[in-house]
Parts: sequence; structure tokens; C-alpha cells
Amino acid sequence: DTGVSQDPRHKITKRGQNVTFRCDPISEHNRLYWYRQTLGQGPEFLTYFQNEAQLEKSRLLSDRFSAERPKGSFSTLEIQRTEQGDSAMYLCASSQPGLELHEQYFGPGTRLTVT
Amino acid sequence: AQSVSQHNHHVILSEAASLELGCNYSYGGTVNLFWYVQYPGQHLQLLLKYFSGDPLVKGIKGFEAEFIKSKFSFNLRKPSVQWSDTAEYFCAVNEAGKSTFGDGTTLTVKP
Repeated sequence: DTGVSQDPRHKITKRGQNVTFRCDPISEHNRLYWYRQTLGQGPEFLTYFQNEAQLEKSRLLSDRFSAERPKGSFSTLEIQRTEQGDSAMYLCASSQPGLELHEQYFGPGTRLTVT
Repeated sequence: AQSVSQHNHHVILSEAASLELGCNYSYGGTVNLFWYVQYPGQHLQLLLKYFSGDPLVKGIKGFEAEFIKSKFSFNLRKPSVQWSDTAEYFCAVNEAGKSTFGDGTTLTVKP
């Protein structure tokens, strides 16, 4: 396995459009996390899944944001009616069960630019 | 809510200098602590971690960190930096699954 992958790597969209990002975690990892990172800041937690169950959502995740992990494998993050403030790097991470539960492996991110 | 403070936004060192990056967190319960590194053009990579036991933990590339519970600190150290250590360094605290990150410290090592 080559690690966490994300698609696309870059997305430019016009304000008001909907966008969807995909994350494929490391295959045996049952937890999957989404973070957002803006310039000059560290990643901020958005939400996470254990298998297909979404266990926690940050208050940063407005009604325009929705995440799914329908079969407990890959996940999608959708942003509806994008705003310029949504421009950021969206990071996905995964972790495995057991003692290393909290050790998260990060993907390369999807950079979103809203014009 | 948990918060993480990294004291230095940008550190500039010459090669062979010693490094110490500060990290403090706010919550005093059971936490797992991490340092991540992001080299230019690459994604976040785990540098080292503390879960329990010996408070002095060693990571990759000669880095180490010391957990001081009474000070809520987890400072990163390296005795002699190299030009290839130029990167951004993030401290993170994990509790109940989700991680809270500091805003990062950019380290520039001059050859």
C-alpha cells in the first residue's frame, strides 16, 4: 500500500459551485479524518469516521459541507455553494485500530481555490 | 477545548546549530502527543510520538522530544541541524481520536 491518496490534488472553482473531493485511506485503517489547513495555520479538524460511521463533526463544518464514507473504505467531502473563504488545503488522514489508533497518516491534500 | 501553542513562527539556524522548538497544550488529561514535519512540496509526515512511558522520545532523523506533564509541554530538539531539516514543523495533541495542531514553526537552515 502506498499510503493515503487524495483526488484531485488541485481544484479551482467559481464561487457558488459545488465541489467534491475523494480520499482513499490505507487499506487496513478503519478510521478516516478530514482536516482543513489555511496558509500560516496548522490543520483544523473537520470530521472523522470509524468504518462507515461519522463519529464527530466540528462546528467548522457548516451545513454546506457534507462527508460520507459509505462502505467504510474511501470517503468523499462535498462543499456546496462554495465561498471564497472555503479556499484552503483539505487534508485526509487515516489510522489503524489498536495501540496505534491515534497515529494518523496524512495524504497529500486537495488544494481548493474559489474565485 | 484543546489548544496548542508553538512559540516560534519562524526559526533560522546555521548548519550544526542546536534546535529546540517549543510546544505547549492546554488540556491536562490523558493525551497523545505528536510532532509532524512537512518538507517543501511534500505532505505531513510523522516525526515522533508520545503515548506513555519514558517522557523522552526519539524519532526519525535524530529528532527527540521531551514530555513534561507539569508544564503541559512537548518540546522538539535536535543537537545538530542539517540543511535538509528545512521544513515546517507541527506539534499536535490527540485526544479521543481527533488531533489539534499548533500553527507550525518554519525552520530554515542555512548551509
